Amino acid sequence: AQSVTQLDSQVPVFEEAPVELRCNYSSSVSVYLFWYVQYPNQGLQLLLKYLSGSTLVKGINGFEAEFNKSQTSFHLRKPSVHISDTAEYFCGYTGGFKTIFGAGTRLFVKA
Amino acid sequence: EAGVAQSPRYKIIEKRQSVAFWCNPISGHATLYWYQQILGQGPKLLIQFQNNGVVDDSQLPKDRFSAERLKGVDSTLKIQPAKLEDSAVYLCASSLQQAQETQYFGPGTRLLVL
Repeated sequence: AQSVTQLDSQVPVFEEAPVELRCNYSSSVSVYLFWYVQYPNQGLQLLLKYLSGSTLVKGINGFEAEFNKSQTSFHLRKPSVHISDTAEYFCGYTGGFKTIFGAGTRLFVKA
Repeated sequence: EAGVAQSPRYKIIEKRQSVAFWCNPISGHATLYWYQQILGQGPKLLIQFQNNGVVDDSQLPKDRFSAERLKGVDSTLKIQPAKLEDSAVYLCASSLQQAQETQYFGPGTRLLVL
C-alpha cells in the first residue's frame, strides 16, 4: 500500500529549541521524498527533497532531513527554531506517477 | 518569473450547483496537477496532466468532477453537481516535467458548498 504517515499532528516548541517532525512512508516502487511548508494564508513551498546519494538532505531556512531506507523514514529537523517557523509541514513522495502527501504537522513556536 | 495562477480565490455555492476553477501554470511547465485539500488533511492528487494528456486520474470522482488542459497550457477543473463533502481548497501545481521535478503550487481556490 502507498501511504505517508506523519506521526505528530501538532508540535509545540519554544523558540531556539531543536525540533524533529517525524515522517514514515510505505511504497512498493522507488520514490523521491520531499517536505513542503505552508505558512498561514500562503501556498505550499518546497523545503527540501531527496532523490538519491547522501541520506542527509539540507533545505531552506536551516531545515534538514535524513532518509532512512531500512526504517522507511524521512524525518525533518532544525537545530534552533524561530517564531517565523510556525507553519504546517507536509511530508510526501512521488513514485510511479503518484504523488502522496501526509496529513501534515502543525509546528507552533512559542516565545 | 510568474508563479502558478489560480482563480477564483474563494467560491461559495449551494449543493447540486456547478463550479469551475481555472489554473495557469508557470510558463514552460509541461506537467500540471490538481489537488484537493480538505481541512485538516494533506493534499490529495486528483489528476495529473503531461502537456494536454492525462497521466493519472485514478482519484478523480469522474461522476461529478472533470478536468481539461487546453493546448497543454491552462487548465480547468469542474464539479457538477457539487456535494457538501466537496468543500475544500483546490490546489493547482506545475512542474517542468514529471516524477522527480519540483512541483510549484498556486495559492488555491477555497470552495464552500452549503
